[in-house]
Amino acid sequence: AQSVTQLDSQVPVFEEAPVELRCNYSSSVSVYLFWYVQYPNQGLQLLLKYLSGSTLVKGINGFEAEFNKSQTSFHLRKPSVHISDTAEYFCAVSVPNFGNEKLTFGTGTRLTIIP
Amino acid sequence: EAQVTQNPRYLITVTGKKLTVTCSQNMNHEYMSWYRQDPGLGLRQIYYSMNVEVTDKGDVPEGYKVSRKEKRNFPLILESPSPNQTSLYFCASSPLTANTNYGYTFGSGTRLTVV
Repeated sequence: AQSVTQLDSQVPVFEEAPVELRCNYSSSVSVYLFWYVQYPNQGLQLLLKYLSGSTLVKGINGFEAEFNKSQTSFHLRKPSVHISDTAEYFCAVSVPNFGNEKLTFGTGTRLTIIP
Repeated sequence: EAQVTQNPRYLITVTGKKLTVTCSQNMNHEYMSWYRQDPGLGLRQIYYSMNVEVTDKGDVPEGYKVSRKEKRNFPLILESPSPNQTSLYFCASSPLTANTNYGYTFGSGTRLTVV
């Protein structure tokens, strides 16, 4: 079965500084990878996804992530954060054509932007 | 607007009183799923459905039931709620993984408190 590890439960960053949120996955087969963002008192919104093709994926709000198969990682980056990026970020993995179509989530990283 | 609609947003109930949380999607997605979100545990899948009349257990199905009589609707039923089912619940829908548009769209969530 696949699993996702988000090592950092909380990440504080100064406004306009760069940020990287780490995500590692475990799977014996090829996977699809996702990052979702959850703003306070809201549902989850898709930031970006990797299904195939280029390993550098660009998403909404200036975020990007790079799929690294050898390191089984899918870290999320943004070169300059804004106060509005304060939220919880979830990495998720699924195994295509495996029956359940299930997304397995990490435990989340709370990003706090310091003015 | 493409969306997943959950109702109610907030619900306080007493132990043992049957309740239903509704979920509806307008994107003609085959796949629908329920998750619960708890602090420190991330999101865990309760039940899922690959299509009409096709449902199966996720990782934490105990105490829950679902049905999929129509493609757009996927209600979550708690026949006899208990305090350990106090949580934030999300419904999600998606095309199947063979579709390049694969990726979950989430509802806004239902915060359930069982006293």
